[in-house]
Amino acid sequence: AQKVTQAQTEISVVEKEDVTLDCVYETRDTTYYLFWYKQPPSGELVFLIRRNSFDEQNEISGRYSWNFQKSTSSFNFTITASQVVDSAVYFCALSSGSARQLTFGSGTQLTVLP
Amino acid sequence: GAGVSQSPSNKVTEKGKDVELRCDPISGHTALYWYRQSLGQGLEFLIYFQGNSAPDKSGLPSDRFSAERTGGSVSTLTIQRTQQEDSAVYLCASSLGGTSGGKGNEQFFGPGTRLTVL
Repeated sequence: AQKVTQAQTEISVVEKEDVTLDCVYETRDTTYYLFWYKQPPSGELVFLIRRNSFDEQNEISGRYSWNFQKSTSSFNFTITASQVVDSAVYFCALSSGSARQLTFGSGTQLTVLP
Repeated sequence: GAGVSQSPSNKVTEKGKDVELRCDPISGHTALYWYRQSLGQGLEFLIYFQGNSAPDKSGLPSDRFSAERTGGSVSTLTIQRTQQEDSAVYLCASSLGGTSGGKGNEQFFGPGTRLTVL
């Protein structure tokens, strides 16, 4: 069985603060993929990043960075110097083994205040 | 290039009626997925098509739900005898699929169809 847990339901920060969104996953498969999606108020899910289970390198893209740690089954997402436009619901997701469909966490509502 | 498109964007129907929701995937994507998003249940997988293989229907909540994909491209999700609990946003996604490895698993979503059952 696969499971993704995003324990933070809502986070509120002031613009320019750094914020980390937590994601913990469960799977028995040795090959799996982890994803982050952003859902702004407009509603469309926007793909942000994919990580393969065999690649634990952290990744940085502009103000976004991701920390993948297999030892703790976590795939956390950090936004540096947050901006109001970062306000959205962020979903962590997992696909593993032969199953291609995504198992989503419950999402974290991030509000960045000006 | 064009992204995933879905129609209609909104659908209001009466309990007991049938509805059809349409999805046009990204050109060249062989895999197509349907999910639904509701307040109480979050994002749930419904069905997955990969090329000409038999679809994975393991997420369909009841036999009132069915989907088809014609010519390996456009897909239609049909809900028969709609119930109020079917009210949700129905999301379609597509990916390269096949043996494209991790990149083949990257799913790109359409804007969704908001279904309201009165």
